Amino acid sequence: AQSVTQLGSHVSVSEGALVLLRCNYSSSVPPYLFWYVQYPNQGLQLLLKYTSAATLVKGINGFEAEFKKSETSFHLTKPSAHMSDAAEYFCAVSSGTYKYIFGTGTRLKVLA
Amino acid sequence: DAGVIQSPRHEVTEMGQEVTLRCKPISGHDYLFWYRQTMMRGLELLIYFNNNVPIDDSGMPEDRFSAKMPNASFSTLKIQPSEPRDSAVYFCASSQGQGGTEAFFGQGTRLTVV
Repeated sequence: AQSVTQLGSHVSVSEGALVLLRCNYSSSVPPYLFWYVQYPNQGLQLLLKYTSAATLVKGINGFEAEFKKSETSFHLTKPSAHMSDAAEYFCAVSSGTYKYIFGTGTRLKVLA
Repeated sequence: DAGVIQSPRHEVTEMGQEVTLRCKPISGHDYLFWYRQTMMRGLELLIYFNNNVPIDDSGMPEDRFSAKMPNASFSTLKIQPSEPRDSAVYFCASSQGQGGTEAFFGQGTRLTVV
């Protein structure tokens, strides 16, 4: 069975500081991993995805994530937070069955 | 393509009434998913279809919930009778069903049952 765990339901960072959102996965087969962002009253939008081509994945808006098989992790980072990054972020896993299982989300707050 | 289209965007109904949520997936996508989002439980997968056939409905909470996909361009999620605890945002998503492809989400339907 697949599952995703996101550590920290709320994360606050100062504008310009490093953003680190944590995601650990469980999968019995090689996974595909995704990060989505959700702005208020909107649907989910893809930030980036891991499909086994490269362990360091770059996405939109300056975000990137690194796949670490030994740690079963896929943490999302951004070197410098911007006010517009305030949103909820979801990690998701998909493998084999083509369905997507999401974590519980992390709400990012950016402080001026 | 206009993306995944859901209707209505907002629905307020009284307890006991029937509610129907609608979804038009992206053309050419073979998979369609229905999710429910609440503060307490996050994003839950309710059911998903492949080529209009339900594959896994284990996430459907009760018999009051049913979903259909009569053709490749339309799906419905029905709740009958509705209850206040069904209040949530319901998302429809679609994907091409190839390894590593992402799911595309609609804007969601915010359902309030009073």
